[in-house]
Amino acid sequence: EIVLTQSPATLSLSPGERATLSCRASQSARSYLIWYQQKPGQAPRLLIYDASTRATGIPARFSGSGSGTDFSLTISSLEPEDFAVYYCQQRSSWPITFGQGTRLEIK
Amino acid sequence: QVQLVESGGGAVQPGGSLRLSCAASGFTFSNYIMHWVRQAPGKGLEWVAVIYEDGGIIHYADSVKGRFTIARDNSEKTLYLQMNSLRAEDTALYFCAKDLGSSSWHALDYWGQGTLVTVSS
Repeated sequence: EIVLTQSPATLSLSPGERATLSCRASQSARSYLIWYQQKPGQAPRLLIYDASTRATGIPARFSGSGSGTDFSLTISSLEPEDFAVYYCQQRSSWPITFGQGTRLEIK
Repeated sequence: QVQLVESGGGAVQPGGSLRLSCAASGFTFSNYIMHWVRQAPGKGLEWVAVIYEDGGIIHYADSVKGRFTIARDNSEKTLYLQMNSLRAEDTALYFCAKDLGSSSWHALDYWGQGTLVTVSS
């Protein structure tokens, strides 16, 4: 099983700042890494798939990078609506696994 | 527009059973892989099970293998999760989710709002 470790657990930033979230895999996930955003009381929302491809309707301020075991999600300039919990997920091998999440909070 | 509506959750005693349903609309259900994902209160996401388009391929998380059964009825556009031998640690909000498909197998592009399962004596 591929274990995904996200860091930091909590990230405190202000609107307009740049956010970089990390996801590290215990073994190679190739480029099959996915990012979701979840707001309180809502279902997760697909942001990025295959490490760097934005899903339909996702703003350009969201970008993903990485391959193998090290991945990152970058939000270039934080908007108020971006404060949420972010999860990574791998689809490289069974079982599908998620990271434990990074909470992005307003500073 | 794609809609996924879960139902069937509720309170059950340890060792009991529940059957969750997920009614799909707004897309050709029979053409897509479908998943169940759960989230314990205040915790992260845990993938539970997947079923391929014709039901011929199924995978489970180790934590539910042998106790849960995923199924689908393409004529009714409905996904199911039969949960037996329930444990306290199965308490969670259960989401059904649609697979993105050929663009990226096993990325989940649409999710329902979830149905809550509580296992307690």
